Amino acid sequence: NAGVTQTPKFQVLKTGQSMTLQCAQDMNHEYMSWYRQDPGMGLRLIHYSVGAGITDQGEVPNGYNVSRSTTEDFPLRLLSAAPSQTSVYFCASSGTPSGNTIYFGEGSWLTVV
Amino acid sequence: DAKTTQPTSMDCAEGRAANLPCNHSTISGNEYVYWYRQIHSQGPQYIIHGLKNNETNEMASLIITEDRKSSTLILPHATLRDTAVYYCIVRSLNAGNNRKLIWGLGTSLAVNP
Repeated sequence: NAGVTQTPKFQVLKTGQSMTLQCAQDMNHEYMSWYRQDPGMGLRLIHYSVGAGITDQGEVPNGYNVSRSTTEDFPLRLLSAAPSQTSVYFCASSGTPSGNTIYFGEGSWLTVV
Repeated sequence: DAKTTQPTSMDCAEGRAANLPCNHSTISGNEYVYWYRQIHSQGPQYIIHGLKNNETNEMASLIITEDRKSSTLILPHATLRDTAVYYCIVRSLNAGNNRKLIWGLGTSLAVNP
């Protein structure tokens, strides 16, 4: 059972480039979300989804897009990367049959130069 | 979801019990107390959760006060591998309501040899 899988683990982008962080879960969870974590800031919610075809904004959504075409996948797109988006990104999932527990991926380290 | 307050950092000697406090004075009746930890450079990991009764699993014990306004996570025999940031959060039974989760900065626990 792989849980929550994120790719890539490390990425360097130039300002203005676009890219997609991939996230997949194999636990049949309805709920998936993306967080970013910066030093001294804790985990901040970017976007989340309560099911296939449904997404909504979190606390810091600007500069990011998401889609949820399947239950398993929840990619995060950076439209035009900026140095302020240098961060560690975590994908998470939760829901039945795992109860209320949130499961996190191992993180994606993104540097924008 | 209610906000929690935790000490910024704590130290513990290896082999001794680590007691990590959390205040959640505005917790409502349908909110559970959850504990997660984040070892450096990894995604947060679920530890334990509870509603009003004390709980124990293979990782830790959770003691919740009778008024539910505070709780304590107990690592009975701390090891060096327990050095991590510990997050206390409260969540409603609506597992999809992740957007209201406030993770805060947690408690940085250092287990010393």
